[in-house]
Amino acid sequence: QVQLQESGPGLVKPSETLSLTCTVSGGSINDYYWSWIRQPPGRELEWIGYIHYSGSTNYNPSLKSRVTISVDTSRNQFSLKLNSVTAADTAIYYCARGYSGSRVADYWGQGTLVTVSS
Amino acid sequence: QTVVTQEPSLTVSPGGTVTLTCASSTGAVTSDYYPNWFQQRPGQAPRPLIYSTNKKHSWAPARFSGSLLGGKAALTLSGVQPEDEADYYCLLYYGGAQLVFGKGTKLTVL
Repeated sequence: QVQLQESGPGLVKPSETLSLTCTVSGGSINDYYWSWIRQPPGRELEWIGYIHYSGSTNYNPSLKSRVTISVDTSRNQFSLKLNSVTAADTAIYYCARGYSGSRVADYWGQGTLVTVSS
Repeated sequence: QTVVTQEPSLTVSPGGTVTLTCASSTGAVTSDYYPNWFQQRPGQAPRPLIYSTNKKHSWAPARFSGSLLGGKAALTLSGVQPEDEADYYCLLYYGGAQLVFGKGTKLTVL
């Protein structure tokens, strides 16, 4: 059974870069689509973007200018970088695995809370 | 900006049937939007239930079903159980550029 685990700083200062890593265990990162999804406290889910194991990416247009998702197949990990963060980026960040561009989140990590504050 | 609309809240009695819907600001939802449905209990990560309109994940109980209804995606729960009380989110696919979640429906079993 595939498992995903998010890791990274829980506190980021405004204007800095949020960096998270998702480690995949119980399966290879090869094949599949790997997504980042976030949820501000008490609010709805927001799709951030995904990367295919081949390296092709697709980002939410509203975040595209600030987001980079990358994959490290040798470590079975993929990562999220979101720059120029503000308090509005405070959220639980989830990583997920999917089978296609339209089915992006069949397996989820437990999520990690990232707070943007000075 | 594309908006996906769900009922903010619904209430159903145990053993009853309830249908949650998911509408798109761009027009009628069709199978080309590949609707996904997720259940989220408090403090937990979302759990996928349905993909591609009506395909059920192996772990989803039989009482959950997906469909298209009146230009919307729909999730029907038949024989509702107390443990079905949760938030439910739909996710729509807009071609190669975008995926958008609905704002969610809070389902109360009372």
